[in-house]
Amino acid sequence: EPEVTQTPSHQVTQMGQEVILRCVPISNHLYFYWYRQILGQKVEFLVSFYNNEISEKSEIFDDQFSVERPDGSNFTLKIRSTKLEDSAMYFCASSALAGGYEQYFGPGTRLTVT
Amino acid sequence: ILNVEQSPQSLHVQEGDSTNFTCSFPSSNFYALHWYRWETAKSPEALFVMTLNGDEKKKGRISATLNTKEGYSYLYIKGSQPEDSATYLCAFNGNNRLAFGKGNQVVVIP
Repeated sequence: EPEVTQTPSHQVTQMGQEVILRCVPISNHLYFYWYRQILGQKVEFLVSFYNNEISEKSEIFDDQFSVERPDGSNFTLKIRSTKLEDSAMYFCASSALAGGYEQYFGPGTRLTVT
Repeated sequence: ILNVEQSPQSLHVQEGDSTNFTCSFPSSNFYALHWYRWETAKSPEALFVMTLNGDEKKKGRISATLNTKEGYSYLYIKGSQPEDSATYLCAFNGNNRLAFGKGNQVVVIP
């Protein structure tokens, strides 16, 4: 069964460093998303991406964040200058269509900023 | 801010017993309500996507109902088994972005 994959599973970085989190969505999906969960809190929406551009972003997704689909398979989230409060589990998801369709999640990347 | 609440936050269930829990969500701008099953260190697994008021969906021993007018959904587990131990997340889909509840953490005691 096709699945969303994410690498790395765990990333430790120092405050101020740039990180890139990678995702390979399900191959025939068109909509891509990033979510995050800070420990003990709810999973929060960050950004959605369609047709090579951001379709929606939350207030969390400020100028420090960017997303890219550099080739036909990868979908990346970059954090330019990490802060301690960026420590979280970051989930990538994809869906075939928008609206009331299933979003399939990857296993997440645990980002620890020290 | 979309307020999605799940209760109870955690519950222990004896193997063989049935259980249910609640997700409440805004009743306006509704597209869909998603349920996920999430085990530690694994991907959240999509269980149901529910779109219509009165919807009832079933997958094995797990079923869900939806009331969009009053803004709630119930998830039921019939005859709980140890492999049902997981966190069950509901998510409100208001415009293709999911707003999650905190989850219902279920522990099934053999």
